[in-house]
Amino acid sequence: DAKTTQPNSMESNEEEPVHLPCNHSTISGTDYIHWYRQLPSQGPEYVIHGLTSNVNNRMASLAIAEDRKSSTLILHRATLRDAAVYYCILRDALAGGTSYGKLTFGQGTILTVHP
Amino acid sequence: EAGVAQSPRYKIIEKRQSVAFWCNPISGHATLYWYQQILGQGPKLLIQFQNNGVVDDSQLPKDRFSAERLKGVDSTLKIQPAKLEDSAVYLCASSLDPWGETQYFGPGTRLLVL
Repeated sequence: DAKTTQPNSMESNEEEPVHLPCNHSTISGTDYIHWYRQLPSQGPEYVIHGLTSNVNNRMASLAIAEDRKSSTLILHRATLRDAAVYYCILRDALAGGTSYGKLTFGQGTILTVHP
Repeated sequence: EAGVAQSPRYKIIEKRQSVAFWCNPISGHATLYWYQQILGQGPKLLIQFQNNGVVDDSQLPKDRFSAERLKGVDSTLKIQPAKLEDSAVYLCASSLDPWGETQYFGPGTRLLVL
């Protein structure tokens, strides 16, 4: 499985933008970049995913570097409810066999939001 | 739309006892996953079902863990006998498509083995 590297922790202030980085230097052409987050005492929650182009949804934006070796999850205005562990995951869209649909979670980034 | 349901939410057992967890995925979701999340770590996939067939169980400790998904809907995960190192949160997830583009997770079952 292609691996991702994220900072262990980041801090932000409420109502400020947050940029969560992810490095994936060994990404392959068929790997999608997924972001999930996990709030305290809850299961992970899908945030966003993309392949090559930047993506926006109601929760966040995903900026993907031109060489696809890194990406950034952008929370435009952090709230206290955004405090969570954020996971950057690569999913091989063409994987067969036992890798089909597989998400391999790393340690993630613990985001702390200060009031 | 109802989410993924899991029960029980908490379970405390002694080592060598058995325990079972239940998961009801989102209606119509053909793919179901069980993950184990040890404190301080990300979730680790234990088993993946496509309808009632197993797609991937390579990380399931088959000497003590078993899972089934009868009729391709609900699923149960069983541990027998439990060890101390099985203390973790067991998460169930489901997805509409078989390639897991978006997985929806339940709240998890927190297991403590004493």
